[in-house]
Amino acid sequence: NAGVTQTPKFQVLKTGQSMTLQCAQDMNHNSMYWYRQDPGMGLRLIYYSASEGTTDKGEVPNGYNVSRLNKREFSLRLESAAPSQTSVYFCASRRQGQDGFPGAQETQYFGPGTRLLVL
Amino acid sequence: KNQVEQSPQSLIILEGKNCTLQCNYTVSPFSNLRWYKQDTGRGPVSLTIMTFSENTKSNGRYTATLDADTKQSSLHITASQLSDSASYICVVTGQTTSGTYKYIFGTGTRLKVLA
Repeated sequence: NAGVTQTPKFQVLKTGQSMTLQCAQDMNHNSMYWYRQDPGMGLRLIYYSASEGTTDKGEVPNGYNVSRLNKREFSLRLESAAPSQTSVYFCASRRQGQDGFPGAQETQYFGPGTRLLVL
Repeated sequence: KNQVEQSPQSLIILEGKNCTLQCNYTVSPFSNLRWYKQDTGRGPVSLTIMTFSENTKSNGRYTATLDADTKQSSLHITASQLSDSASYICVVTGQTTSGTYKYIFGTGTRLKVLA
C-alpha cells in the first residue's frame, strides 16, 4: 500500500513550457486535491476533485488545469509555465467526498511533493 | 476572512526539553482542528485531530489542546527527540456558505531539536 504517490519529484521548466504533474492513490479514496506550498504561506488549494468525474476550482486555480482520469489518478497541468508557479506541489486524498463531514477518520493523506522550478 | 495563525515561526530547543506551539484561528463555523508534522522534503502527516467538544488529545509524546471559546490550540511536545525536527502545521476545517468543507492551513512552526 503505497498511499499517495507523485511524479516527478523535481522538475525544471523554462517560461512558457508545459508539463503535467501526476498523482495516484491506492486507498480507494473519493476526494483528491492539489495544493501548492510557498515559503511563508500555508498550503493553498489549487483544484480538487470530490469524486471521479468531477473537478472544482480551489483558492488559486489560474494557470492550471486538472484531470481526474479515474478514481486513482488526479493530474495537474501547467499549460504555459511562469516563474510565479515555482513552488512545491502536493497532492492529497481523502476517503469521503467533499460534502462528507470530515470527522476524525477523514484526514487528508499527502504525497511526497513535486518541487517545480520555472526559469 | 478565515485565518489560522501560528507562533512562533521557528523554535530551537535542546534534545530532551519540552516545547509548546501555538495556533490561533478565526475560522467560523468551525468543524475540527488538526496538527500535521511535515519533515523536510516530505508531505504533511496527521498527528492529531480535535473537534470543538474535545479539550485534549494525545498521540505519544504529542499532546494537543483546544479552547473553542478563545479559538486557540496548542501542541505540546514532551521530551523532544532529534526526529521531532520538522514543521508543524495547524489546519482548521471550516464550513462554507454552500455547506461544503474547506481546510485552512497555518504557515507552520519550524522546530529544530539540537543534540
